[in-house]
Amino acid sequence: AQSVSQHNHHVILSEAASLELGCNYSYGGTVNLFWYVQYPGQHLQLLLKYFSGDPLVKGIKGFEAEFIKSKFSFNLRKPSVQWSDTAEYFCAVTPRGNNRLAFGKGNQVVVIP
Amino acid sequence: DAMVIQNPRYQVTQFGKPVTLSCSQTLNHNVMYWYQQKSSQAPKLLFHYYDKDFNNEADTPDNFQSRRPNTSFCFLDIRSPGLGDAAMYLCATSRDIFGGGASTDTQYFGPGTRLTVL
Repeated sequence: AQSVSQHNHHVILSEAASLELGCNYSYGGTVNLFWYVQYPGQHLQLLLKYFSGDPLVKGIKGFEAEFIKSKFSFNLRKPSVQWSDTAEYFCAVTPRGNNRLAFGKGNQVVVIP
Repeated sequence: DAMVIQNPRYQVTQFGKPVTLSCSQTLNHNVMYWYQQKSSQAPKLLFHYYDKDFNNEADTPDNFQSRRPNTSFCFLDIRSPGLGDAAMYLCATSRDIFGGGASTDTQYFGPGTRLTVL
């Protein structure tokens, strides 16, 4: 079964700082990769996803993620965060061919105005 | 707006007292999922329905069951809740389940039901 690791569970940074959240997965085959975001009091929603093609994926709200196959990684980045980016961010993976998500534990990101 | 709705948002039950959580969707999706998220842990898939076909994860306890009477509704039944079952329960839907990369595989989540067991 696939598994996902996210480090630095709590991240605090100031507005305009750059954000990078690490995600590593463990699975022997081809995978689909996702980042979900959960804003305070709201439901999980898809931020971006990678299935194939260009390993640099751009999502909503200025976020991007890069798939590095050799490192089994799918790190999330944003060059300049805003207060409204305060949220919990979850990396997730499915094996190619089924849709059963395996999530990481999440990163709680707090952006200070 | 089309969405995934979970009721109630907060549920308190007693140790050993059966409880049912509800999920409904207006997206007309074929697939409905139930995830369990304990405090400071990753959401964990319990089971899913693809139309009427039920698919249980291998490590889901027998205490957890599910019903899907129609396309719109799916229920999570916990037959005898223990203290360890206190968690956020998330429902999600997707149109398809093929995992091939199409947008129709995207899962849409409800707000969750937080279950407390006394």
